[in-house]
Amino acid sequence: GAGVSQSPSNKVTEKGKDVELRCDPISGHTALYWYRQSLGQGLEFLIYFQGNSAPDKSGLPSDRFSAERTGGSVSTLTIQRTQQEDSAVYLCASSLRGGGLGGKLFFGSGTQLSVL
Amino acid sequence: AQTVTQSQPEMSVQEAETVTLSCTYDTSESDYYLFWYKQPPSRQMILVIRQEAYKQQNATENRFSVNFQKAAKSFSLKISDSQLGDAAMYFCACGADGLTFGKGTHLIIQP
Repeated sequence: GAGVSQSPSNKVTEKGKDVELRCDPISGHTALYWYRQSLGQGLEFLIYFQGNSAPDKSGLPSDRFSAERTGGSVSTLTIQRTQQEDSAVYLCASSLRGGGLGGKLFFGSGTQLSVL
Repeated sequence: AQTVTQSQPEMSVQEAETVTLSCTYDTSESDYYLFWYKQPPSRQMILVIRQEAYKQQNATENRFSVNFQKAAKSFSLKISDSQLGDAAMYFCACGADGLTFGKGTHLIIQP
């Protein structure tokens, strides 16, 4: 596609429910990142996929968070048993090469998650 | 590991004037890159400018330029001839594989 696509744009859920957030990166981009942006805060790194390598999960805040990337393309971020503190904008980014090594990150418009 | 600090939560500038946004960072990486991203209310993160840490020459993109002081670990963004469309959150970021972002500076443009 022309850019990084994320769906849904907005998601409202009840505390304790599971949610899935989807990211469709730019075609051909091998690196994919998930970030979380809480109100008034910067971007918090969650997870990083690079090609077929094992993902860097060091930023996931708890075991309720998981992500997968199927076929090296689309990624899904899953949050189980959502809590109110999970409310945030979840941003996905992709790049042609890994990380900041010359690779510019291209971001989607994010998913605004609201946990009631 | 990296840390990025933006000490100005909010800045205001008159249209057509120049404004400088501050950023300091710390990293254990020997090779890394520095970025400024702009985030308007649409939430879309837009790359403004990128600097390779191994280059001494400051990056420039039209009205946007940086003052990169590697020894001081400082990476400020200068916006010249400010325009109403420049109003947004600006995030400084640092990294080699995966970026660490600062908390952002909210830039207001006064007409």
